[in-house]
Amino acid sequence: NAGVMQNPRHLVRRRGQEARLRCSPMKGHSHVYWYRQLPEEGLKFMVYLQKENIIDESGMPKERFSAEFPKEGPSILRIQQVVRGDSAAYFCASSPLVGVGETQYFGPGTRLLVL
Amino acid sequence: KNEVEQSPQNLTAQEGEFITINCSYSVGISALHWLQQHPGGGIVSLFMLSSGKKKHGRLIATINIQEKHSSLHITASHPRDSAVYICAVRRSMNRDDKIIFGKGTRLHILP
Repeated sequence: NAGVMQNPRHLVRRRGQEARLRCSPMKGHSHVYWYRQLPEEGLKFMVYLQKENIIDESGMPKERFSAEFPKEGPSILRIQQVVRGDSAAYFCASSPLVGVGETQYFGPGTRLLVL
Repeated sequence: KNEVEQSPQNLTAQEGEFITINCSYSVGISALHWLQQHPGGGIVSLFMLSSGKKKHGRLIATINIQEKHSSLHITASHPRDSAVYICAVRRSMNRDDKIIFGKGTRLHILP
């Protein structure tokens, strides 16, 4: 059973380009979470999705950022018109269901560098 | 003040030493996680606790719900334990399943 997969592992973009980060949850997991870790800072929650639904996007910047988790295929975190401040590690986690104490399984992260 | 505070921020110790990393939180929680992040690497979930104590190999995690405090202990520490250890709590809200992370404790074990 493969773990949470994220690709690409490293992504370099110039200012103004788009970044697409993909996350394939563990088999059987229908809940996906995206987190951002800025250099020298802790992890911060961005968005929580179930299949075809955004449950909580309160941690996601209002502009330029969007996320989806379609019925088929991976979850996508999309950053439009990237700026240098978007440079960070973006982690995805998945869980099989939401309940008290349900654990999340983290992917290896995508490191985004904006030049 | 952060809702999740970890101490110390940085810790350097000799191989074999007993290590303790502390986590205090100020919100109601349904669960607390200890995570390990190696330099340039991904994140591994070590423990999930809602009460008491858990042990896995040389790692022990405890939580005191009344005092809102958790500790992660490493016995017989080894250089390969060098990593950032992150405490994370899930708040006690049904639909809002956010996790709040501490800033991490950077551990360096010298051979």
